[in-house]
This record gives sequence, C-alpha cells and structure tokens, in this order.
Amino acid sequence: QKEVEQNSGPLSVPEGAIASLNCTYSDRGSQSFFWYRQYSGKSPELIMFIYSNGDKEDGRFTAQLNKASQYVSLLIRDSQPSDSATYLCAVRFSDYKLSFGAGTTVTVRA
Amino acid sequence: GAVVSQHPSWVICKSGTSVKIECRSLDFQATTMFWYRQFPKQSLMLMATSNEGSKATYEQGVEKDKFLINHASLTLSTLTVTSAHPEDSSFYICSAPSGQDNSPLHFGNGTRLTVT
Repeated sequence: QKEVEQNSGPLSVPEGAIASLNCTYSDRGSQSFFWYRQYSGKSPELIMFIYSNGDKEDGRFTAQLNKASQYVSLLIRDSQPSDSATYLCAVRFSDYKLSFGAGTTVTVRA
Repeated sequence: GAVVSQHPSWVICKSGTSVKIECRSLDFQATTMFWYRQFPKQSLMLMATSNEGSKATYEQGVEKDKFLINHASLTLSTLTVTSAHPEDSSFYICSAPSGQDNSPLHFGNGTRLTVT
C-alpha cells in the first residue's frame, strides 16, 4: 500500500526560528515530491517541488530529498506568523497519482 | 501561473438532491483533472481521475454512480454528487497538472458542501 507519512505535530516555533517538517514515503519508484501549504478552510497552495536528491532552496524555504532513505523534508527559515498553516507533503507515485500525507500544523509564535 | 477555477465555493443542499461542481483550467489545457475530498482535520483523499474524452477512473471505495464526473472539454471537468446525504458533506477540491506528468498540481479554491 502506497503511503505518505508526516510527523504529526502540531509544531510550534518562535518567530524567526527554523521550522523543520519531515515526510517519508513507501513507494521507492516515486519521482516527484511536493510541499503544499493549506490555511484553514482554504485549498492547498504549492510551495515547492523537488525531483532530484539534495537540497532545493526558494526564498525562506528549502526542500531536501533523499530517495535512498525515502525521505523528504521542508525547512522554513526565519519563520513568520503568516507561515502558520498546515503543511502537506505530497508524493507522486509510480502510477502518477498524487498522494498526500496527513499534514503537519505549524504555529509560529510572535 | 496556472489557474484552476472552481465553482461554487460553497453550497448547501437538502438530502436527496444533486449538486454539480465545476472545475475549469483558465490558462492551460488539462486532459486530466483530479477530484479530491477532504473531511475536517484530515488530509486530501483522491476520489477520481477525470479524463477528457473518456471515462473517469475512480479510487477504491468511491461510488462512480454517486459521484458522476464529466470531462466535457480540455478546460472543464464537472463533479455531480447525486442523491446527496449528510455524510457527503465535505470540502471537494479539483486540481490539474499544468504540464507534463511530473508537473505540480494546481488546485481550485474548493467547494464546501453541506447536506442538511
């Protein structure tokens, strides 16, 4: 069974700190990985995608992928109160369907 | 960027009635669209894959006769919840990839369905 697992949270960090979110997946054949942010009552919005092993940086966000360990993470640097949301890890499995983790709720304390 | 428009954003209906939700790709063509459902405090669950010009494919446990999907054109997919019941109350979200198979999904704003 294809699964995407995220640390359950909630994760509370002070403003300006680094928030670290983790995700593991079960299908070794997966090729594409995505992080979405979802505010309460809203639909998900894409933050980053990563296809290759290593780090990918975009502004305050860094995605890290390790296919051997079947692990993908998201770092949020200089966390802001507006970053408070639920972060969804999504993995495109070998059948091209996108599956989501349960999400990690992040709260940034001012 | 790629824009997916979903309508209506919310709807309240009575048990036994049907509700149609529209999903449009505004600035790109989408031969495939995906319909997700999200219950409170849960993650998105894929319901079905909508294919332009052919039948939709449904995930295990999703009743195809209850959730009718029509992909009428390269920019429009509709989901009709037939004979709605209170347990169908949920947040329905459509999405479409803007490019190749590897491309990210872009989501509509979602439809909050409440069945009374």
